[in-house]
Amino acid sequence: GENVEQHPSTLSVQEGDSAVIKCTYSDSASNYFPWYKQELGKRPQLIIDIRSNVGEKKDQRIAVTLNKTAKHFSLHITETQPEDSAVYFCAASLDSNYQLIWGAGTKLIIKP
Amino acid sequence: DAGVIQSPRHEVTEMGQEVTLRCKPISGHNSLFWYRQTMMRGLELLIYFNNNVPIDDSGMPEDRFSAKMPNASFSTLKIQPSEPRDSAVYFCASSLDDRGSDTQYFGPGTRLTVL
Repeated sequence: GENVEQHPSTLSVQEGDSAVIKCTYSDSASNYFPWYKQELGKRPQLIIDIRSNVGEKKDQRIAVTLNKTAKHFSLHITETQPEDSAVYFCAASLDSNYQLIWGAGTKLIIKP
Repeated sequence: DAGVIQSPRHEVTEMGQEVTLRCKPISGHNSLFWYRQTMMRGLELLIYFNNNVPIDDSGMPEDRFSAKMPNASFSTLKIQPSEPRDSAVYFCASSLDDRGSDTQYFGPGTRLTVL
């Protein structure tokens, strides 16, 4: 079955700098890759996603890239701000299958 | 829409007691998920319902856990008897249909503490 690995487990960056979180997946059939953000004490919420027919997607300061050959995808956050501090989860799924396979999460700390 | 609703938000109980967690999914959503979140194990899928039918309960840890969805607007997760290792945040999530690409909308969670 599918397995998703996420790195790093904790990432500390200076406010204003960029942050990159990486995930690898094992099942080459997976074709949908969402990223969820969970602020402290809150629920996970979808922030961006990408499908396998697209190599990159941007939404303001966040972007996701996908390398199907290497089976990895990354979340990029530019000009980080204090409100970006949270745990970020990547996931992978096959569109025809209900289940998301989740990464272990990355705690992003933005230093003032 | 009010989003996914869960109750109670916090539950403190003693070992051996029965615990019932409740969830109301977003109206019109056909899929419902129960997750457990802990620091050690991350987000674990416990059970998945589609059109009120349990499709996958392979994540339910043991017979002490049971889940029902009697109708499209209500689901329960029951733990009987509860144990301290069941302490976690339990999330309910719903999505429009049964595709992997359907966004999952999470409820606020129930923080369960078993003493």
